[in-house]
Amino acid sequence: EVQLVESGGGLVQPGRSLRLSCAASGFTFGDYAMNWVRQAPGKGLEWVSGISWNSAGIGYADSVKGRFTISRDNAKNSLYLQMNSLRAEDSAFYYCAKDSEPFRIAAPSSSIDSWGQGTLVTVSS
Amino acid sequence: QSALTQPASVSGSPGQSITISCTGTSSDVGTYDYVSWYQHHPGKAPKLMIYEVNNRPSGISNRFSASKSGNTASLTISGLQAEDEAEYYCTSYTTSNNFVIFGGGTKLTVL
Repeated sequence: EVQLVESGGGLVQPGRSLRLSCAASGFTFGDYAMNWVRQAPGKGLEWVSGISWNSAGIGYADSVKGRFTISRDNAKNSLYLQMNSLRAEDSAFYYCAKDSEPFRIAAPSSSIDSWGQGTLVTVSS
Repeated sequence: QSALTQPASVSGSPGQSITISCTGTSSDVGTYDYVSWYQHHPGKAPKLMIYEVNNRPSGISNRFSASKSGNTASLTISGLQAEDEAEYYCTSYTTSNNFVIFGGGTKLTVL
């Protein structure tokens, strides 16, 4: 059974940093692109960042580009999101999400079949 | 990188059919057949209902169907059931980030 467990969320002041982690199990982590998707309270889902199975392809939403950095450690079955210069509008539940197809080259993560339970990030003074 | 455009809400009675639209641009929906649809019940993980425009994953009811024309994709749910009441999101591959972009979500109410 696929399990994705996020951690690292919390309350942080504007301008500060936070690092999210996602521990994966139940599948061959290194075969799949992974993503971070967020949902602010009362708002819709927003794709934040994605990384291909081999880390060769990385993408960011315009809203976080230059501030957030995604990475993965396939040996540790882990996905990370380094969030710097946090803003109030970054407050949301952050979900780790797995591509449905392994070794996808074209259109990575164009379909997602597994999600974590989310970790809450609150940016406030 | 604007979100794909979905109606905020749709509604229908049990047994009826409804269609949710998802409008993008030539950088995403209009050019690439990588449109997916997700069902999201509050407090639960989103569920993949359709991938690559009109394909259903194993276990998804054939009451769910989808299509695409030009820059607009559509999800149709036939024979509405109470458990279909949820938020529905479309996504598409986009050249703007070489990954995906979400629609704003559509709240389906089963009357």
